[in-house]
Amino acid sequence: GQNIDQPTEMTATEGAIVQINCTYQTSGFNGLFWYQQHAGEAPTFLSYNVLDGLEEKGRFSSFLSRSKGYSYLLLKELQMKDSASYLCAVRDSNYQLIWGAGTKLIIKP
Amino acid sequence: GAVVSQHPSWVICKSGTSVKIECRSLDFQATTMFWYRQFPKQSLMLMATSNEGSKATYEQGVEKDKFLINHASLTLSTLTVTSAHPEDSSFYICSAPGLAGDSDTQYFGPGTRLTVL
Repeated sequence: GQNIDQPTEMTATEGAIVQINCTYQTSGFNGLFWYQQHAGEAPTFLSYNVLDGLEEKGRFSSFLSRSKGYSYLLLKELQMKDSASYLCAVRDSNYQLIWGAGTKLIIKP
Repeated sequence: GAVVSQHPSWVICKSGTSVKIECRSLDFQATTMFWYRQFPKQSLMLMATSNEGSKATYEQGVEKDKFLINHASLTLSTLTVTSAHPEDSSFYICSAPGLAGDSDTQYFGPGTRLTVL
């Protein structure tokens, strides 16, 4: 079966750095996405990785290792508004998005 | 950037009634749209893929006679929950594929919270 694993919840301090990991087992791979979802709202796109390596976008970076079936989202200089759920999604060989359950990130002052 | 709207943003209805949710791509055309459902504290679950001009493709376990999808134009897809029951109460989200810079992604509507009494 297809499976995406990410931690259920993480806590970090304002101004710090946090890394959210995602491991996947899917039938084929056509890209990995990270989304941010605030409570009661729809997800918003953060990043897309299809090749191995690090993609940096301001305070957010995403890393992919296809051989290990592994990705992480790195958030720097954490702000209170970063408190949200972070969803990892993989597009499989049928171009379907397989979603992780999301990681709830709690930022403390 | 691309914008997807949904209407209504929330709806409360009585058990047994039908509810229609609209999903519109505001500044781009979408031959394909996706409908998701999300229960509290759970992941997004793809319900169906809406195709303009043809029948929707439903995921396993989703009743196509209960969740009617119509993709009437390149900017509008509708989801009708027929004979809604309390267990249908959920957050329904639509999305349309697009581009964010060099990356293809999905643009999500703001979601519709359905509560069936």
